[in-house]
Amino acid sequence: GQSLEQPSEVTAVEGAIVQINCTYQTSGFYGLSWYQQHDGGAPTFLSYNALDGLEETGRFSSFLSRSDSYGYLLLQELQMKDSASYFCAVRPRGYMLTFGGGTRLMVKP
Amino acid sequence: EPEVTQTPSHQVTQMGQEVILRCVPISNHLYFYWYRQILGQKVEFLVSFYNNEISEKSEIFDDQFSVERPDGSNFTLKIRSTKLEDSAMYFCASSVGTGGSPLHFGNGTRLTVT
Repeated sequence: GQSLEQPSEVTAVEGAIVQINCTYQTSGFYGLSWYQQHDGGAPTFLSYNALDGLEETGRFSSFLSRSDSYGYLLLQELQMKDSASYFCAVRPRGYMLTFGGGTRLMVKP
Repeated sequence: EPEVTQTPSHQVTQMGQEVILRCVPISNHLYFYWYRQILGQKVEFLVSFYNNEISEKSEIFDDQFSVERPDGSNFTLKIRSTKLEDSAMYFCASSVGTGGSPLHFGNGTRLTVT
């Protein structure tokens, strides 16, 4: 089976930097993805790491260490609109994308 | 930008009734999925569909569930005899490929079983 662990809640202030960690245990591994979900909305894709290292997309970066089965999502220059839930996800096999429990980020003014 | 569309947005049904949730995936996508999310919980995989057949399914996807692609555009999830615990948001998704190919989700159908 597989499991993904991430903190349930994180709070930060506008303009700050926040890091959301994810550790995983899977029988197979096709990379680590991150999705954002606003309340009442659909999950939307943020990033994907297949190889070790940092991937940067604007204010968001994602990191992967396959040897540590660990990754994180880094959000910089936080804005109020970043308040949402963030899910890490893995594909142990070809098709099924398995999500972690989600981290609820609250950005305060 | 093309998007995945789902209908209806909200469905209320009585326990034991059959429901069909409908989805139109993005037109050039080849892989289709159903997920569900019970309020406040994580997004759970139900089933993936490729080349007109189920490619993978979870333990949740038991004999009460079925999927179909009746024509070139629609993708449906049928729940044969709904239970109270089937109440959840059901998301359809599609992707171009597998591996790192991102899933594009629809806005979901909120199913309420009374």
